[in-house]
Amino acid sequence: DGGITQSPKYLFRKEGQNVTLSCEQNLNHDAMYWYRQDPGQGLRLIYYSQIVNDFQKGDIAEGYSVSREKKESFPLTVTSAQKNPTAFYLCASSIRGSTDTQYFGPGTRLTVL
Amino acid sequence: GEDVEQSLFLSVREGDSSVINCTYTDSSSTYLYWYKQEPGAGLQLLTYIFSNMDMKQDQRLTVLLNKKDKHLSLRIADTQTGDSAIYFCAPQGDYGGATNKLIFGTGTLLAVQP
Repeated sequence: DGGITQSPKYLFRKEGQNVTLSCEQNLNHDAMYWYRQDPGQGLRLIYYSQIVNDFQKGDIAEGYSVSREKKESFPLTVTSAQKNPTAFYLCASSIRGSTDTQYFGPGTRLTVL
Repeated sequence: GEDVEQSLFLSVREGDSSVINCTYTDSSSTYLYWYKQEPGAGLQLLTYIFSNMDMKQDQRLTVLLNKKDKHLSLRIADTQTGDSAIYFCAPQGDYGGATNKLIFGTGTLLAVQP
């Protein structure tokens, strides 16, 4: 069963704590992405990675960090430096090629108390 | 910078056609995508159109692209209650980076009345 999985679905953390969101894909896709979605808004790109051991900042990278040690995995850490971390986080992946069509995971809703 | 605009809300009756509109600013977009998001879920790819096409039909879905006016629309024929969701327009292009980046609109909430 191929796809993108994100865990957990819901996450609660206290203010000031770092938290790591998981994203795994078994589609053999080269590129992976993290987006943030706030109510009533579109998606904004946090970080992306086109290849293992390489990643680039997106539009709103401040307060976030990522790693890409394996092709299948692209975890996102929300650090205490992120001023407003409560949001819905979406991971996506794509094959690098002519279309680079992105496929999305089910999302993780992070609430900081 | 790049910008994508969509109307926030559309209400239709079951069985009618729905037309969701999108305007974008960057003419370098190569592929233009439509995604569907149900409550609390991720984004589901619906369809996409290449920038050298005017129209693409895929079962109940028809995408129209007016590249001159930078206007994209998604028509859903015979709209069903299961089509109720948020629909995102997302043009893709080399927006100053090495990757094909998607720019998302705010999304249009489609409400289908039985």
